[in-house]
Amino acid sequence: EAQVTQNPRYLITVTGKKLTVTCSQNMNHEYMSWYRQDPGLGLRQIYYSMNVEVTDKGDVPEGYKVSRKEKRNFPLILESPSPNQTSLYFCASSTGLENNEQFFGPGTRLTVL
Amino acid sequence: AQSVTQPDIHITVSEGASLELRCNYSYGATPYLFWYVQSPGQGLQLLLKYFSGDTLVQGIKGFEAEFKRSQSSFNLRKPSVHWSDAAEYFCAVSGYNQGGKLIFGQGTELSVKP
Repeated sequence: EAQVTQNPRYLITVTGKKLTVTCSQNMNHEYMSWYRQDPGLGLRQIYYSMNVEVTDKGDVPEGYKVSRKEKRNFPLILESPSPNQTSLYFCASSTGLENNEQFFGPGTRLTVL
Repeated sequence: AQSVTQPDIHITVSEGASLELRCNYSYGATPYLFWYVQSPGQGLQLLLKYFSGDTLVQGIKGFEAEFKRSQSSFNLRKPSVHWSDAAEYFCAVSGYNQGGKLIFGQGTELSVKP
């Protein structure tokens, strides 16, 4: 089954404790992206990757890091989480071609205390 | 600047009634337009998309949307709403050679009354 998976689905942590949210897709997609969803703001792009070792900032990259060492994986790293990063996070993938349909993971709900 | 506006934060309709969710976009080039649905606790599912051609597009679950370039709108419609349609709906825009970046609206939460 074609899918995007994220782990963990739920995470409660404390300020300053480094964490990683994993994302994996099995569709051989070139393009992967991270979004955060906040009430009243919709989804905003954090980082995206056009291919292995090619990443770039989205609209709200501050406080986040990403890496793309393998095509299928695109982890999101919070080196020193803060309460304003409490949010619902989605990973997405697509072919990156003109048909830009993106496939979304189930989401990771992060709470930073 | 590129943006998407969904003017209605929350809409309530009766089951069986018709539905229209509004979406306005601002985009400098030819837009690619999408509607996604997010059921409670779920990820986003694509309802329909518009790239070119016929401005009335059909999607899954009985939804349709009409692209009106003159009004910069891409409103979502359904003739008869079912209780299972209660969810949050997002309009999004992208464009050719944008590397797949989607710009989302704020979302419209739909409640369905029995």
